[in-house]
Amino acid sequence: RKEVEQDPGPFNVPEGATVAFNCTYSNSASQSFFWYRQDCRKEPKLLMSVYSSGNEDGRFTAQLNRASQYISLLIRDSKLSDSATYLCVVNMAPGNQFYFGTGTSLTVIP
Amino acid sequence: NAGVTQTPKFRILKIGQSMTLQCTQDMNHNYMYWYRQDPGMGLKLIYYSVGAGITDKGEVPNGYNVSRSTTEDFPLRLELAAPSQTSVYFCASSSAGGNQPQHFGDGTRLSIL
Repeated sequence: RKEVEQDPGPFNVPEGATVAFNCTYSNSASQSFFWYRQDCRKEPKLLMSVYSSGNEDGRFTAQLNRASQYISLLIRDSKLSDSATYLCVVNMAPGNQFYFGTGTSLTVIP
Repeated sequence: NAGVTQTPKFRILKIGQSMTLQCTQDMNHNYMYWYRQDPGMGLKLIYYSVGAGITDKGEVPNGYNVSRSTTEDFPLRLELAAPSQTSVYFCASSSAGGNQPQHFGDGTRLSIL
C-alpha cells in the first residue's frame, strides 16, 4: 500500500464549479498535512497547510479526518487559473520525511 | 528574494558520467531535501539534511550522494549516471522539521542517454 494515495483524475470542471479532492494516508501516526499545487513543468508550491480543526483560505477549504485517515481539499467558484495538479503531502512519524501523493489533475474549462 | 536556487536547469549526461546538482538557499533554513519526480509520479525523497554536517537517506538513495558542509548548500552527486536516473530533481528547504512546509527550487531536468 502506498503511503499517500490520491485519485489522479483528471477532473474537468466548468468555471464557477465546486470541486473536491480526497487523499488517504497509511500511517495513523502522521503528524502534518499539506496541499501543494504544481503547474506543468514547474516546482510544487504550497497551497495550504491542513489543520486538525479544518481551515479555509479564500475559496479553498481543507479538512482532516484522522479517524478515517484522509484529508480533503474543496475549491469553490473555480477559476481558469486553478488549473493545475494538486499534491497531497504528509509528514509521517518518525522523523522528517514527507510523502507526496501522485497528484490530482484539475482543468477548469471556460 | 532568491529562496531556493538550483543549477543547472537542464543537463544531458552520457551513461557512466558523473555530475553534481547544486542547491543553495538564502533563508537560513536548517532542513534541506532532494527529491526526484518521474513523469506522472509523485515526488520521491532521495536524501535530506537536518543541519550542516548531518544527512540521512530517503526512500530512493541508491546511486546518489550528498553532503552538507554549510547551512546554505546541499549538493547532490550522481557518480555513475544510469538511464533510470533520468528525471526532474527538486531541492527544497524548510525552517523546521515535519510541521513546516517546504520551499522548492525550480528544478533540474536531467536526461541520461
